[in-house]
Amino acid sequence: GAVVSQHPSWVICKSGTSVKIECRSLDFQATTMFWYRQFPKQSLMLMATSNEGSKATYEQGVEKDKFLINHASLTLSTLTVTSAHPEDSSFYICSAAGGLDSPLHFGNGTRLTVT
Amino acid sequence: SQQGEEDPQALSIQEGENATMNCSYKTSINNLQWYRQNSGRGLVHLILIRSNEREKHSGRLRVTLDTSKKSSSLLITASRAADTASYFCATEGAQKLVFGQGTRLTINP
Repeated sequence: GAVVSQHPSWVICKSGTSVKIECRSLDFQATTMFWYRQFPKQSLMLMATSNEGSKATYEQGVEKDKFLINHASLTLSTLTVTSAHPEDSSFYICSAAGGLDSPLHFGNGTRLTVT
Repeated sequence: SQQGEEDPQALSIQEGENATMNCSYKTSINNLQWYRQNSGRGLVHLILIRSNEREKHSGRLRVTLDTSKKSSSLLITASRAADTASYFCATEGAQKLVFGQGTRLTINP
């Protein structure tokens, strides 16, 4: 089945630094990828839709300058959390669409802890 | 918001029993999907039911969809300890997938 690889699985960084998270579709091309954020014991909140070759579409309330998304190829999207603060600590999950009306394939998530 | 609401929020049953989780949503949808999440991991797709379908089966899973009531249910039959996880419904509309709050299912051996 379709596989989405997300890296790193966990990262600890100091306040003020930037962290990049990669999301790769390993065996299919994904023109669209999605980035979610999940707080403990809560649901996934869509942050942005990443479109290959164009600007990402951010959900209301998500700072685009804070969460930089780049989707430079059909198999790779990156999320960079800039100038991270402790409140950015969360579980970030990417997903990729295999095609119209098909389920999303999820990465295993990245646990970000900002100290 | 199109976000779905699920109930119960938490469910604890004995192994071998059936588990039923419900999901309600607010707007029209193209399809509704159920996902499973083990603690600290990504989501795994379980089943997709289209808006013109009423029931779908996959192994021990049975999903129903009632678009008139804007609700869906997921039934897991003959539960196993390995079914312990969080289960989320997600509705697709306007090219976005929006997740419900999830049900934390615990299967006691």
